[in-house]
Amino acid sequence: DAKTTQPTSMDCAEGRAANLPCNHSTISGNEYVYWYRQIHSQGPQYIIHGLKNNETNEMASLIITEDRKSSTLILPHATLRDTAVYYCIVRPNYGGATNKLIFGTGTLLAVQP
Amino acid sequence: DAMVIQNPRYQVTQFGKPVTLSCSQTLNHNVMYWYQQKSSQAPKLLFHYYDKDFNNEADTPDNFQSRRPNTSFCFLDIRSPGLGDAAMYLCATSGRTSGTDSYEQYFGPGTRLTVT
Repeated sequence: DAKTTQPTSMDCAEGRAANLPCNHSTISGNEYVYWYRQIHSQGPQYIIHGLKNNETNEMASLIITEDRKSSTLILPHATLRDTAVYYCIVRPNYGGATNKLIFGTGTLLAVQP
Repeated sequence: DAMVIQNPRYQVTQFGKPVTLSCSQTLNHNVMYWYQQKSSQAPKLLFHYYDKDFNNEADTPDNFQSRRPNTSFCFLDIRSPGLGDAAMYLCATSGRTSGTDSYEQYFGPGTRLTVT
């Protein structure tokens, strides 16, 4: 079973920041928070991951609470092409047989013009 | 630059007729995965290879098999497709990204299987 809880859907106006929450209250000390997204009819795409510090890359920012029980993915200026299902996944971060992704239901982000 | 390639993108097969889906990668990753994604559902892991070691998920039906003849290629064989096997099949690879602590997975575009 997925270890995360996300809202089923969210709307965001184009050009505004999209803030996608994720609850992972049972996260273990060695588990990272990963975010992927899946645009319609495409394979999932990696966005960002983090352990306990906030992270930023060219796609998004990841804010993890101090107790690590929840996190927020931030798309700073959402565009119509960001419309997708966003998956928050927790897992250990090392290669090998346990490097599996267990997808939850995700959040469908609809960016409105 | 395509990194994980799946062929064909769309496959139609008849009920009970064996079908093979293929996946190739240019990333030289040692781990390759197969996921099944049914309509309006999240991807579900079927099995994966760590190098040549095959790892089956406990709830993957015996009807699904896989082969990995070399690092670059991996195949998904469905021995006797049923109507319930109609889905998108996603291939992914994973390996350590140079200079980082990241082991993100790279997904192909998927093969949509229709069973008639």
